[in-house]
Amino acid sequence: DQQVKQNSPSLSVQEGRISILNCDYTNSMFDYFLWYKKYPAEGPTFLISISSIKDKNEDGRFTVFLNKSAKHLSLHIVPSQPGDSAVYFCAATPGVNAGGTSYGKLTFGQGTILTVHP
Amino acid sequence: DGGITQSPKYLFRKEGQNVTLSCEQNLNHDAMYWYRQDPGQGLRLIYYSQIVNDFQKGDIAEGYSVSREKKESFPLTVTSAQKNPTAFYLCASRSRNEQYFGPGTRLTVT
Repeated sequence: DQQVKQNSPSLSVQEGRISILNCDYTNSMFDYFLWYKKYPAEGPTFLISISSIKDKNEDGRFTVFLNKSAKHLSLHIVPSQPGDSAVYFCAATPGVNAGGTSYGKLTFGQGTILTVHP
Repeated sequence: DGGITQSPKYLFRKEGQNVTLSCEQNLNHDAMYWYRQDPGQGLRLIYYSQIVNDFQKGDIAEGYSVSREKKESFPLTVTSAQKNPTAFYLCASRSRNEQYFGPGTRLTVT
């Protein structure tokens, strides 16, 4: 059962335009969401996160939006740059306030390959 | 520099041999995690440890074992019982809700 889904395996965008990466989740216990960027043969790099008490979090060119009622989040990159080309993973967790063995566990989506063309 | 190190970057083994992947962190994080990534897939959790001398199975623990004798170290052993051991292995440690990853080890078993 895929609790976190990224339904678009790939996305191609022109440099300077907006990149929108989407993620859906099914587990109502998730209350903290993260986006990671990954280059081939390297470890993922943490990009940005959002708590369920917010609907938007912004950091420079990166903005994450959360729609709790739809169980949907998205990552916007504006403007997109060729160096943004990578695989982007969304992840979800019950958060540090969850008890038991779920504490801090991340569930990842399958990833979306973003290609930004010059 | 604070961070997570994994060694070696590439590892080759013959089928039937056990192999241990190293993961060290100097971030003073209590919790550490092991994932594997296969082509076209997300990261799947193998084992995790919330604190020294304690660890729990993740979603795909069969054929793997871990130890957590020191806060800084969380080695993963891929045993001969693991049916498809060839993969990219990632170690992470956690600060509050965010996990931070090492560079990964590519294990190839032939």
